[in-house]
Amino acid sequence: AQSVTQLGSHVSVSEGALVLLRCNYSSSVPPYLFWYVQYPNQGLQLLLKYTSAATLVKGINGFEAEFKKSETSFHLTKPSAHMSDAAEYFCAVIRTDKLIFGTGTRLQVFP
Amino acid sequence: NAGVTQTPKFQVLKTGQSMTLQCAQDMNHNSMYWYRQDPGMGLRLIYYSASEGTTDKGEVPNGYNVSRLNKREFSLRLESAAPSQTSVYFCASSRVTNEKLFFGSGTQLSVL
Repeated sequence: AQSVTQLGSHVSVSEGALVLLRCNYSSSVPPYLFWYVQYPNQGLQLLLKYTSAATLVKGINGFEAEFKKSETSFHLTKPSAHMSDAAEYFCAVIRTDKLIFGTGTRLQVFP
Repeated sequence: NAGVTQTPKFQVLKTGQSMTLQCAQDMNHNSMYWYRQDPGMGLRLIYYSASEGTTDKGEVPNGYNVSRLNKREFSLRLESAAPSQTSVYFCASSRVTNEKLFFGSGTQLSVL
């Protein structure tokens, strides 16, 4: 069954540093993959979505993710962290028409 | 532009009590979902409705029931609440099942 694994429940970076949030998927066929973000006391918002059209997917707020079939990965990156990026990030995959989430990674950004 | 509206925002129940969480969307979406969010476990799908008139179990359906009242509304019912159901509940909707989900702001439920 398709699922995703997020490595690292907490990631801390300094403002201006590279953000790298890791997600690996398990799937026998090319999956639909997503990154969602949850700001404090809010619901989730879609950051970006991979649908096999392009391996590098650009999302909102300067985030992007690269689909690497050889590594079964879909890591989320941002070149320069901003204080407003502090949130919880979820990788997700479609499995039998249902969106299944990973366990989340909380990003802290220090000044 | 309301999007997905959930009520109530907070609720405290005693073990064994029942309640219904309400969800409505104004985007003419076909699919609706109920998730629960627990620390360290991410979001887990309880039930979903791919289209009006259909409902299906998700990953953790035990102890819950749902009703797709019409295209706009999708309610979640706890018939006999248990402390294990203490969680934050999110309703979401999408145009079709593999499209972008829009989430409500959540219901924080405590069962004592």
